Amino acid sequence: GAGVSQSPSNKVTEKGKDVELRCDPISGHTALYWYRQSLGQGLEFLIYFQGNSAPDKSGLPSDRFSAERTGGSVSTLTIQRTQQEDSAVYLCASRLGPGLGEEQYFGPGTRLTVT
Amino acid sequence: AQSVTQPDIHITVSEGASLELRCNYSYGATPYLFWYVQSPGQGLQLLLKYFSGDTLVQGIKGFEAEFKRSQSSFNLRKPSVHWSDAAEYFCAVADSGYSTLTFGKGTMLLVSP
Repeated sequence: GAGVSQSPSNKVTEKGKDVELRCDPISGHTALYWYRQSLGQGLEFLIYFQGNSAPDKSGLPSDRFSAERTGGSVSTLTIQRTQQEDSAVYLCASRLGPGLGEEQYFGPGTRLTVT
Repeated sequence: AQSVTQPDIHITVSEGASLELRCNYSYGATPYLFWYVQSPGQGLQLLLKYFSGDTLVQGIKGFEAEFKRSQSSFNLRKPSVHWSDAAEYFCAVADSGYSTLTFGKGTMLLVSP
């Protein structure tokens, strides 16, 4: 079956521009996560959506970052006024539900380069 | 808050040799622990996980990990490494509700012929 997909796979943008990154989770998965992977920094949690509950935004690094999830499926991560330090790979993951045994399935990521 | 330390940034192992990747965690309660692998250009794939019970956990691709509470460790092992195992490996810990994962910074495994 189809896994988690992300688009675009690569994005180059100029400093100060806004960007939108898209995530299509596995069909039927109620939980969706965004992570940022910077060189040498591992994966950093950004935001978590679970069903219709208010998202956990505790990992967003600044108010330039926001995310929404429409219809409980597709999610968009928006970075406003991009800075060079925003350059990273942004990973999306989805999960069937909040149950303890449910695994997170990761997409291939979007590589963002801010010039 | 929980944290994960992977002390080795890079490790080089000869093909056919055994492998051990180290992971130390910090968490006040019983941890939920994971190992993921990321091959070049690929997303992360779950190798194995520990929630409770037997402290020796078997995973995919011949990997295993042992949870040692006294040492706050969850080291990943494989008895004989294949060239296809070259990748970056991440250890992670989940909070008590398993809503989010906290990852270590990863260990890059290089396999020499």
